[in-house]
Amino acid sequence: DTEVTQTPKHLVMGMTNKKSLKCEQHMGHRAMYWYKQKAKKPPELMFVYSYEKLSINESVPSRFSPECPNSSLLNLHLHALQPEDSALYLCASSQPPNRGEQYFGPGTRLTVT
Amino acid sequence: AQSVSQHNHHVILSEAASLELGCNYSYGGTVNLFWYVQYPGQHLQLLLKYFSGDPLVKGIKGFEAEFIKSKFSFNLRKPSVQWSDTAEYFCAVSGGFKTIFGAGTRLFVKA
Repeated sequence: DTEVTQTPKHLVMGMTNKKSLKCEQHMGHRAMYWYKQKAKKPPELMFVYSYEKLSINESVPSRFSPECPNSSLLNLHLHALQPEDSALYLCASSQPPNRGEQYFGPGTRLTVT
Repeated sequence: AQSVSQHNHHVILSEAASLELGCNYSYGGTVNLFWYVQYPGQHLQLLLKYFSGDPLVKGIKGFEAEFIKSKFSFNLRKPSVQWSDTAEYFCAVSGGFKTIFGAGTRLFVKA
């Protein structure tokens, strides 16, 4: 199974809402990532977890809160987002030590109204 | 600073034409280089990768790329494109857990 799954596929939320994005992989990978991708732009790294510990936070605003409950799951908790946070949020996984070969999920299309 | 530059943002080719997409990078230290592809409506997929050894690497679907260290380049090539190659192509560089993507090249292949 070389699949990374993400739910939901689409999410519309207001600026006062709290929601969560979920990501799951069953490839035994021990590194997981969140990326943000705006239209016609490349993916931008947000967070990296390695062995369930947060390794990299690319100065992401605190309204985004990642969580890695176990080696297969990765969540992104959202609160008080801004319209400019509307984007495609991608999850990826890899086998550390990472050499860059990541497996990506289909993404969650987030719209903040 | 680490960066990846893709020279062509939009490329239009007819089927059977040859393809070359340019990629240059700036990165201190040992690099791992990648090309990812994103077909319409699909997720990012790894096309090919270079870690070390033979600088000419072959990937899926007939794609290949050449690492030229002196030019800091990793150009993607395909001798004869097909309509199904229509997609967005991203060059990427990684070191440790950080991967930096180029801006992407949108390829449209006319049938």
